[in-house]
Amino acid sequence: SQKIEQNSEALNIQEGKTATLTCNYTNYSPAYLQWYRQDPGRGPVFLLLIRENEKEKRKERLKVTFDTTLKQSLFHITASQPADSATYLCALDKGGSQGNLIFGKGTKLSVKP
Amino acid sequence: EAGVAQSPRYKIIEKRQSVAFWCNPISGHATLYWYQQILGQGPKLLIQFQNNGVVDDSQLPKDRFSAERLKGVDSTLKIQPAKLEDSAVYLCASSSSSSGTQYFGPGTRLTVL
Repeated sequence: SQKIEQNSEALNIQEGKTATLTCNYTNYSPAYLQWYRQDPGRGPVFLLLIRENEKEKRKERLKVTFDTTLKQSLFHITASQPADSATYLCALDKGGSQGNLIFGKGTKLSVKP
Repeated sequence: EAGVAQSPRYKIIEKRQSVAFWCNPISGHATLYWYQQILGQGPKLLIQFQNNGVVDDSQLPKDRFSAERLKGVDSTLKIQPAKLEDSAVYLCASSSSSSGTQYFGPGTRLTVL
């Protein structure tokens, strides 16, 4: 069956360091992958989308890579700040034209000052 | 532009009672999604609408859950009767196309006692 794993439930880093979050998947061939941020008591907020033919995507301090051979995406936040503390969700499309997303469980990032 | 609106924000009910949630998507968004997010998990798709038609309801427990999107705008999700395991946050999202970025509402936190 289709499966998505985010490498850790929680990640603690020091302010200024680079946070790296991992998303692995099996039994999928997604056309694209998305990363969302979720703060407590709020709905997820879209951050980045990367397509299967793209290796890397950047937006300000965020960088996403997508390796369809390894079936893995890495999400980087450079020069991390305490305000980056949140849960980050990886989501893959199920395939087909319906646009259904399957979400991972998320990784809770804590950036300490 | 206004975001996705949901109400109520919180609901506490006894098991076997009924409950309904309301969602108003972003104006002009044809695709509407209902997700269930259990504590510590990623959102799980319950149902997807394209305008007022159902695209995917394969994970909707149809013996107790129902949803409608009359006139292709607002949507309601109903649970009847509720079970303890229905305690979760119910998220509504919308997108302008079936493969586009999804914009989430704040969610309704349901507690079933």
